[in-house]
Amino acid sequence: EAGVAQSPRYKIIEKRQSVAFWCNPISGHATLYWYQQILGQGPKLLIQFQNNGVVDDSQLPKDRFSAERLKGVDSTLKIQPAKLEDSAVYLCASSFIVGGELFFGEGSRLTVL
Amino acid sequence: TQLLEQSPQFLSIQEGENLTVYCNSSSVFSSLQWYRQEPGEGPVLLVTVVTGGEVKKLKRLTFQFGDARKDSSLHITAAQPGDTGLYLCAGWMTTDSWGKLQFGAGTQVVVTP
Repeated sequence: EAGVAQSPRYKIIEKRQSVAFWCNPISGHATLYWYQQILGQGPKLLIQFQNNGVVDDSQLPKDRFSAERLKGVDSTLKIQPAKLEDSAVYLCASSFIVGGELFFGEGSRLTVL
Repeated sequence: TQLLEQSPQFLSIQEGENLTVYCNSSSVFSSLQWYRQEPGEGPVLLVTVVTGGEVKKLKRLTFQFGDARKDSSLHITAAQPGDTGLYLCAGWMTTDSWGKLQFGAGTQVVVTP
């Protein structure tokens, strides 16, 4: 069974530029999550989708971050414009059921200069 | 402010020693999970505990869920270098229709030969 796929693995941009991350969850997993993990911290939930609907985006900085999950499968997270403090690893995860095991991708490491 | 407080933040021990990691909160969780994360990878689930007072064993790892479902501990017996990693506790808050998984900041464990 294929795992959660994320791309790109690494991205370096300058502040005020834009960046997009892509995630393809495990087939059949209805719930998709985007987490931000800053060095030395635990993952922080940015947004959670159930199929193609948003169920939680309370910690998403909506003035610069956006995410979509068209057709309830893969998802894109965008940052525009990026700030220095956005430097982090962006982890995508999926689960078959809420309350179950989260399967994570390898993450996309963003460095903002 | 982290909903889940983990201690210690960092633990360095010799191979063969025992260690305990703690995860505490003032909130009640439907269930609690422990993940391990290695550099450059996403977290991987170790265990889920659901019932207050529950104890689960996974080879040399013992997990306990507090009676009030607010805290948990992870104990490793006779640690090995392969146990090195970032240990994350995560609590599920669920309702009838959805749930949210929040992570602690993690405990970095280093086991030296």
